[in-house]
Amino acid sequence: DAGVTQSPTHLIKTRGQQVTLRCSPISGHKSVSWYQQVLGQGPQFIFQYYEKEERGRGNFPDRFSARQFPNYSSELNVNALLLGDSALYLCASSSDGVGEQFFGPGTRLTVL
Amino acid sequence: QKEVEQNSGPLSVPEGAIASLNCTYSDRGSQSFFWYRQYSGKSPELIMSIYSNGDKEDGRFTAQLNKASQYVSLLIRDSQPSDSATYLCAVRNNNAGNMLTFGGGTRLMVKP
Repeated sequence: DAGVTQSPTHLIKTRGQQVTLRCSPISGHKSVSWYQQVLGQGPQFIFQYYEKEERGRGNFPDRFSARQFPNYSSELNVNALLLGDSALYLCASSSDGVGEQFFGPGTRLTVL
Repeated sequence: QKEVEQNSGPLSVPEGAIASLNCTYSDRGSQSFFWYRQYSGKSPELIMSIYSNGDKEDGRFTAQLNKASQYVSLLIRDSQPSDSATYLCAVRNNNAGNMLTFGGGTRLMVKP
């Protein structure tokens, strides 16, 4: 069975640009969560979606937005990129949003 | 602010020894606890989940939970060089959203 997939693997952007990251959950899972992991720190929660509805939002500015599609895949959008947005962006899949969460390989974003 | 604390390490143990990784959390309402392993440059991989006080064993791994002391630990028996990684403790309060709150991780080094 395919695990969580994310695209792209790596991304380089410049300050002020916008970026869209994509995630497909494990087949049969209906919930996707997004996390940001800065080098040397643990992941920080950004959003959770379940059945296409936002179920949770972390302490991130409005420049960060997300959505979930009918096939349960998800996109994370970040506008007006700052240098501090450089991080590994992780997508986690769970069956119902309350159970165990399984991470994808991540997208490494570098903002120059 | 809800916090999860881990000693950043590195924790160095010889091959074949028991590695003991510790985590404390501040939210008394936390109900679900997880250990993830993260190799350098990779995404977190779920090792163990524990929900009730006591011990839970899975192969060479044992998770221990003490809610009264707000303490969760991971023991790795017969440590192998391939266990060298950063171990992340994650905590969830099911009544406060489904987000995982992570500690900063403990870097484990197993020396041959």
